[in-house]
Amino acid sequence: QITLKESGPTLVKPTQTLTLTCTFSGFSLTTSGVGLGWIRQPPGKALEWLALIYWDDDKRYSPSLKSRLTITKDTSKSQVVLTMTNMDPVDTATYYCARKKVGVRLNYFDYWGQGTLVTVSP
Amino acid sequence: DIVMTQSPDSLAVSLGERATINCKSSQSVLYSSNNKTYLAWYQQKPRHPPKLLIYWASTRESGVPDRFSGSGSGTDFTLTISSLQAEDVAVYYCHQYYSSPFTFGQGTKLEIK
Repeated sequence: QITLKESGPTLVKPTQTLTLTCTFSGFSLTTSGVGLGWIRQPPGKALEWLALIYWDDDKRYSPSLKSRLTITKDTSKSQVVLTMTNMDPVDTATYYCARKKVGVRLNYFDYWGQGTLVTVSP
Repeated sequence: DIVMTQSPDSLAVSLGERATINCKSSQSVLYSSNNKTYLAWYQQKPRHPPKLLIYWASTRESGVPDRFSGSGSGTDFTLTISSLQAEDVAVYYCHQYYSSPFTFGQGTKLEIK
């Protein structure tokens, strides 16, 4: 059974750094073709793709946020961490982690976490 | 970046009727070396994460009812629900996975008329 769960602060202040952790089970991020991504959704708005990390530690970022994002993995803990610097109220959103379909160039998401709402406010 | 544009933004359809949602990409998402179209569709119900419905533009994910179908190629795509059920009320998103950043459409909200 594949599960993913996001964790992290629910409230951050402007200019602070957000650190979110995705803890997963049922698969390994050492297996060829596996990857895990982050997607966010402001309240009432659309999905926004943020970042993706692959089994071989290759990484992809949204160009508009690349300077603020870092994605890393800890395979021993089955975790992926996303950090976002210089948080602003417009970054208020539900942040999802999701597993991409296993395989080369299969960058769509077949399993999602429930999401965690992060509010940015003074 | 590949921009994904959906139409309409919202749609109201009677139960049992057909619902059609369109998605257009700013450039082709057809990979010529394998002739595959890198386009997926998701369904998102309120207070839930998105659920994968369709990939390769027209392949249903396991467990997805066959009233859901995807079509299209190149830059123009359609998600069709052949006979709308009450449980299909949701927001639907298209998603290109052809090239990074792997962008989503803005969503289409589907309601019952």
